[in-house]
Amino acid sequence: GEDVEQSLFLSVREGDSSVINCTYTDSSSTYLYWYKQEPGAGLQLLTYIFSNMDMKQDQRLTVLLNKKDKHLSLRIADTQTGDSAIYFCAESILFSGGYNKLIFGAGTRLAVHP
Amino acid sequence: DAGITQSPRHKVTETGTPVTLRCHQTENHRYMYWYRQDPGHGLRLIHYSYGVKDTDKGEVSDGYSVSRSKTEDFLLTLESATSSQTSVYFCAISETSGGQETQYFGPGTRLLVL
Repeated sequence: GEDVEQSLFLSVREGDSSVINCTYTDSSSTYLYWYKQEPGAGLQLLTYIFSNMDMKQDQRLTVLLNKKDKHLSLRIADTQTGDSAIYFCAESILFSGGYNKLIFGAGTRLAVHP
Repeated sequence: DAGITQSPRHKVTETGTPVTLRCHQTENHRYMYWYRQDPGHGLRLIHYSYGVKDTDKGEVSDGYSVSRSKTEDFLLTLESATSSQTSVYFCAISETSGGQETQYFGPGTRLLVL
């Protein structure tokens, strides 16, 4: 079946690194995504990784993918108060009809404190 | 924001009344989606569209209908609203670049059914 799981809360001190973890179940996933949602706003695409990659780095963001364990993580270096938000992991599965279905985790709420 | 707007942004309605939410996009995207967001569930797909007059059901379509008479507009209708449909509704489009498809989200509509 299709399922994406994330821990619900993470609290970090400003300047430390944050690591948000995600596990998924469908091995046919083509891409995996991280979205950020700030209070009262829509989802903003942060980054994505193709399923045949192990790592992707984009400025302060590092995505690690362990395809064998179906484990995805997002590391935010030098976490700032502006990083406080809910982070959603999503896997993309090619669905009948030719569209890519996104399966979302429940989201991890990141709280950054001084 | 991929040129996506949603209206209304907030709505309060009573049980049993019909409600229509509108998603408007300005960039001629073929695929459009309606999701609902509830605590502990992440985002769940209600319906999607792959072209004018071409729509199909997602995982939580009961109680909802959609219409797409023009490329730019995707309407979500709750024929007879129930309290369980209190939620935040997000519209999305998908954009393909270099073989990779990404979904971009609108700002959301917060619906309260009393």
